[in-house]
Amino acid sequence: DSGVTQTPKHLITATGQRVTLRCSPRSGDLSVYWYQQSLDQGLQFLIQYYNGEERAKGNILERFSAQQFPDLHSELNLSSLELGDSALYFCASSGGPTDYEQYFGPGTRLTVT
Amino acid sequence: ILNVEQSPQSLHVQEGDSTNFTCSFPSSNFYALHWYRWETAKSPEALFVMTLNGDEKKKGRISATLNTKEGYSYLYIKGSQPEDSATYLCAFTGNQFYFGTGTSLTVIP
Repeated sequence: DSGVTQTPKHLITATGQRVTLRCSPRSGDLSVYWYQQSLDQGLQFLIQYYNGEERAKGNILERFSAQQFPDLHSELNLSSLELGDSALYFCASSGGPTDYEQYFGPGTRLTVT
Repeated sequence: ILNVEQSPQSLHVQEGDSTNFTCSFPSSNFYALHWYRWETAKSPEALFVMTLNGDEKKKGRISATLNTKEGYSYLYIKGSQPEDSATYLCAFTGNQFYFGTGTSLTVIP
């Protein structure tokens, strides 16, 4: 158990809908990262927050947004969902901004039908 | 899009063999190189983070080296055991995070 929690574990929704994925980092960790793993692709970095501020941005679609709250938990919002958004979404946390070990949560499996 | 390449793509070794794999990355805008172990149906587990050229890290039978000037890192496993079977991922940290596609290791008892 990495200490990173993600909810929900599974999510099934229809195209066009909007969902919110939640991540609670390990106690004391200030950085939160979001990753997407699609069926035919490796891990893709989406976005990083550090102590409430956006720190780095990857290949995150405009339909997706994220934020980190004062209690350091983070939410990833996915809107106007398409079939291709079906994936495993991981959250990770670390103690610092860049060169710290990242601890991954169990992931949220999103299925868009 | 930046390329992080790992080789080989997959590897089968006998229990007790030592093995190594490679991660190649751009040598510019380097901040850190991460290695992860990823078992099927689980989440990636951090093995090492390396930041300085010449860094060497060790955890039990697993060790890693880093050459930032030429843009590569090696991961070594000494005396492979069946429980080492997993995918080993490296990730390059520049202005964002770029993952390789991994090396799938199977250790045959």
